[in-house]
Amino acid sequence: SQTIHQWPATLVQPVGSPLSLECTVEGTSNPNLYWYRQAAGRGLQLLFYSVGIGQISSEVPQNLSASRPQDRQFILSSKKLLLSDSGFYLCAVNGRGGTDTQYFGPGTRLTVL
Amino acid sequence: QKEVEQNSGPLSVPEGAIASLNCTYSDRVSQSFFWYRQYSGKSPELIMSIYSNGDKEDGRFTAQLNKASQYVSLLIRDSQPSDSATYLCAVNIQGGSQGNLIFGKGTKLSVKP
Repeated sequence: SQTIHQWPATLVQPVGSPLSLECTVEGTSNPNLYWYRQAAGRGLQLLFYSVGIGQISSEVPQNLSASRPQDRQFILSSKKLLLSDSGFYLCAVNGRGGTDTQYFGPGTRLTVL
Repeated sequence: QKEVEQNSGPLSVPEGAIASLNCTYSDRVSQSFFWYRQYSGKSPELIMSIYSNGDKEDGRFTAQLNKASQYVSLLIRDSQPSDSATYLCAVNIQGGSQGNLIFGKGTKLSVKP
């Protein structure tokens, strides 16, 4: 079965600092990978998705970026964090065999002060 | 703007009762529908998916889909306090593994012992 790892689990960062969140997946190959953000009082917002190494699609304009340096590694970054970047960041992977079902990792809770 | 709407709740039901959670979506061509459960502070976990009109049962859970009315629901029979969580409805508009999910904001369910 697929296993999704995310780290760190929690992070407190000052405004203007850089960010790097990592997601790795085991038990599958060539998955579709997704980054979501869940802010307080808001629904899950898709930030980026990737269908392969180096292939990134952005869903919303923001000061975040994503990269996929390896097949099962997905990284979310920022050069300068804003207060509005606080939230619960979730990595997701589609089901094995190319299904459209998505499974979520444990998430990273980011607080920007 | 493609939307998925859910009553935010809280929906409170007594233990042993049937909990009924509802979701409407705006895009008539939506293909796939999902229910996730999210405990406080945790990531969403998939309960079930449904693709065709009608009912789909899995244990105490039944998903109901009516594409003509653009409506999907989740019934939880014999509700338990452990079912207390936020339930997220998600819709895949494009279909296929590259279709992205749009999430509702969730309905908070409280099951009282």
